[in-house]
Amino acid sequence: DSGVTQTPKHLITATGQRVTLRCSPRSGDLSVYWYQQSLDQGLQFLIQYYNGEERAKGNILERFSAQQFPDLHSELNLSSLELGDSALYFCASSVVGGRVNEQFFGPGTRLTVL
Amino acid sequence: QQQVKQSPQSLIVQKGGISIINCAYENTAFDYFPWYQQFPGKGPALLIAIRPDVSEKKEGRFTISFNKSAKQFSLHIMDSQPGDSATYFCAASGRGAQKLVFGQGTRLTINP
Repeated sequence: DSGVTQTPKHLITATGQRVTLRCSPRSGDLSVYWYQQSLDQGLQFLIQYYNGEERAKGNILERFSAQQFPDLHSELNLSSLELGDSALYFCASSVVGGRVNEQFFGPGTRLTVL
Repeated sequence: QQQVKQSPQSLIVQKGGISIINCAYENTAFDYFPWYQQFPGKGPALLIAIRPDVSEKKEGRFTISFNKSAKQFSLHIMDSQPGDSATYFCAASGRGAQKLVFGQGTRLTINP
């Protein structure tokens, strides 16, 4: 168990809908990362938050957004869903500081768009 | 320049053998090179990691070899066991808390 929790575990929805994925980082970790894992694209970085502020953006679609709350949990919002958004979405967290970038991943949310 | 290339895509090894997975990178700003192990239906789990100031790191049956001049690093699993059957990802990141750039993954099967 990495200490990172994600809910829900599975999500099935229809095209055009909006969903929210939730992540709670490990205790003490200030940085949260979201990654998307699909069969053809592998693990792709979406966005990073550090202590409530957006720190880096990757290949995140404009239909997707995220935020990190004062209690450090994070939510990834996916809207106007398309079939191609079906994937595993992982949250990871890390301690910021020093030269080591150990990121610990949650169990993921499997999103199926029908 | 942000890519990490991983090979092979799949690997079958007999129990007790040595499993070797290779990765290559281009971005010389990468400063941290972890390996993750992922079982079906689970999140990636950090296995072992190395920084470019050392050429080798060993933890139990798992060893990372790092060649800075060639910009390559590899994972060696000694005495491979059926329980090691999983998908392995190499990754790289810059200094500090930065995103991980992942290789495409290697599906490892250890035959009993």
